[in-house]
Amino acid sequence: AQSVTQLDSHVSVSEGTPVLLRCNYSSSYSPSLFWYVQHPNKGLQLLLKYTSAATLVKGINGFEAEFKKSETSFHLTKPSAHMSDAAEYFCVVSEAGKSTFGDGTTLTVKP
Amino acid sequence: DTAVSQTPKYLVTQMGNDKSIKCEQNLGHDTMYWYKQDSKKFLKIMFSYNNKELIINETVPNRFSPKSPDKAHLNLHINSLELGDSAVYFCASSQNTGAFDEKLFFGSGTQLSVL
Repeated sequence: AQSVTQLDSHVSVSEGTPVLLRCNYSSSYSPSLFWYVQHPNKGLQLLLKYTSAATLVKGINGFEAEFKKSETSFHLTKPSAHMSDAAEYFCVVSEAGKSTFGDGTTLTVKP
Repeated sequence: DTAVSQTPKYLVTQMGNDKSIKCEQNLGHDTMYWYKQDSKKFLKIMFSYNNKELIINETVPNRFSPKSPDKAHLNLHINSLELGDSAVYFCASSQNTGAFDEKLFFGSGTQLSVL
């Protein structure tokens, strides 16, 4: 069975400072991992995905995530936060055609 | 053109009523889904259809009945609405090539409020 845990329900950063959103997963096989972003009153949009190629994955809007099998983690980072990054972020593990969503992390960006 | 479109965007109704939410995708995808997002933003899959056939049915009350007239449409009908059904419902689709790394394309959501 697969599961995903987002370790922080809320993260608050100042504009221009780094962002770290943490995600741990468990999976029986070699999973695919995703990060989605949901802006207020919008649907979800794919940020990036990991599919057993390079362990450091680059996504849209300057976001990156690193797959660490030994730590079963897939943390999302961005060097410098922008006000437009304020949103809900979901880590997702996909295995055998089924996607399981984390509970989400709300990112707040202060001016 | 919107890739995954769902209607209506907002739905306000009384307890006990029956309502439907429609979803259409113009991406040529084989698989469509319904997700429920509660007030705490938790997202849970409800149903998944592949080429009009039900493949995932999570523990959803049988008051919820998905219908897929063709692979581009997946509608959600809800009977006897209850207060706890209030949520945002998202439709999504994926290509379903059999790979595990398939991206989900989401609609913009339907906010259902049951009074």
